[in-house]
Amino acid sequence: EAQVTQNPRYLITVTGKKLTVTCSQNMNHEYMSWYRQDPGLGLRQIYYSMNVEVTDKGDVPEGYKVSRKEKRNFPLILESPSPNQTSLYFCASSLSRRAGGYYEQYFGPGTRLTVT
Amino acid sequence: TQLLEQSPQFLSIQEGENLTVYCNSSSVFSSLQWYRQEPGEGPVLLVTVVTGGEVKKLKRLTFQFGDARKDSSLHITAAQPGDTGLYLCAGAIPGGYQKVTFGTGTKLQVIP
Repeated sequence: EAQVTQNPRYLITVTGKKLTVTCSQNMNHEYMSWYRQDPGLGLRQIYYSMNVEVTDKGDVPEGYKVSRKEKRNFPLILESPSPNQTSLYFCASSLSRRAGGYYEQYFGPGTRLTVT
Repeated sequence: TQLLEQSPQFLSIQEGENLTVYCNSSSVFSSLQWYRQEPGEGPVLLVTVVTGGEVKKLKRLTFQFGDARKDSSLHITAAQPGDTGLYLCAGAIPGGYQKVTFGTGTKLQVIP
């Protein structure tokens, strides 16, 4: 089954304790992305990756790191989490867009993070 | 800065009523997508519109892309309880990179 998986689904942690949220896709997609979802703000892009070893900042990258060492995996790293990073996080993947084309993003089930 | 504004933010209607959700921007998009998200799940793509003025129908859902490719609407005819969810529009920013921006979302509740 084609899917994007995220782990963990729920996480409660304390300020300053480094954490990693994993994301994996089995569709051989080049493009992967991380979003956070907050009430009234919709989905905001944190980082995206167009292919292995190619990553770039989205709209809200502060406080986050990513890496793309393998095509299927795109972990999100919070080196020193703070309460304002409490949110619902989604990983997504898609084929790379060709010029003039478009793409469907497939989303994972989400990770609900609480930082106290 | 939120590039895509959706309205209304919340909508609660009776089963069988019609409704329209709007997605507006001052920016031009190369394509625009609508997603539906149910509680506890990630968004799922409903449709992609690419050409200015394009209209697409998906059963009781009608999607339209504005002529200038700056706005879009989603019209639901005879809403059903199964239509309940969060509707998100997402615009692809023109250019050679994969930048996409999501709207603020419209939370729809259809009461039986």
